[in-house]
Amino acid sequence: KNEVEQSPQNLTAQEGEFITINCSYSVGISALHWLQQHPGGGIVSLFMLSSGKKKHGRLIATINIQEKHSSLHITASHPRDSAVYICAVRFSGGGADGLTFGKGTHLIIQP
Amino acid sequence: GAGVSQSPSNKVTEKGKDVELRCDPISGHTALYWYRQSLGQGLEFLIYFQGNSAPDKSGLPSDRFSAERTGGSVSTLTIQRTQQEDSAVYLCASSPRDRTDTQYFGPGTRLTVL
Repeated sequence: KNEVEQSPQNLTAQEGEFITINCSYSVGISALHWLQQHPGGGIVSLFMLSSGKKKHGRLIATINIQEKHSSLHITASHPRDSAVYICAVRFSGGGADGLTFGKGTHLIIQP
Repeated sequence: GAGVSQSPSNKVTEKGKDVELRCDPISGHTALYWYRQSLGQGLEFLIYFQGNSAPDKSGLPSDRFSAERTGGSVSTLTIQRTQQEDSAVYLCASSPRDRTDTQYFGPGTRLTVL
């Protein structure tokens, strides 16, 4: 079964801390997405990557294809970063055209 | 520019009734997706459109669910004979060309089946 696992499920940290959220998947993928969902809000795509590393502002996403693992890092975290972060993949090899989602990481940054 | 829009934002219906949910993708986007987000299941893929064709319907949970897209633009997701387990937020996303692109999500329609 094609699965996406995220950890941790919940994370509470202090403002300014370096945050890491992990995502692992079971079989080969064509692309991996990191999404952000604020409480009561819509979903925003943060990154889409298939190899290497991408950076946008204080957010960094990395992926290791061999290890089937990706990380999302937030530097100098701020209370406005509080949200649910969701990893999603498109499996290769004839899998569904849509995304398969992890269960999300609920992040709270305290001032 | 305008993002993906969905209507209605909320829909309350009685068990057994049919409902239609609408998605207006970003203008010019040829790929369109429907997902649903429920408390028990998280986010799930339902169906993918490329233009007006649906090459992947693998996520539709039963034959009560159907979707169409016309003019390469607006899409409608129809749920017939709604059940309580259909209660969820139904999300639409679009991307410029195909499934290799970044997806832009709409705000969702919250469906409650009483």
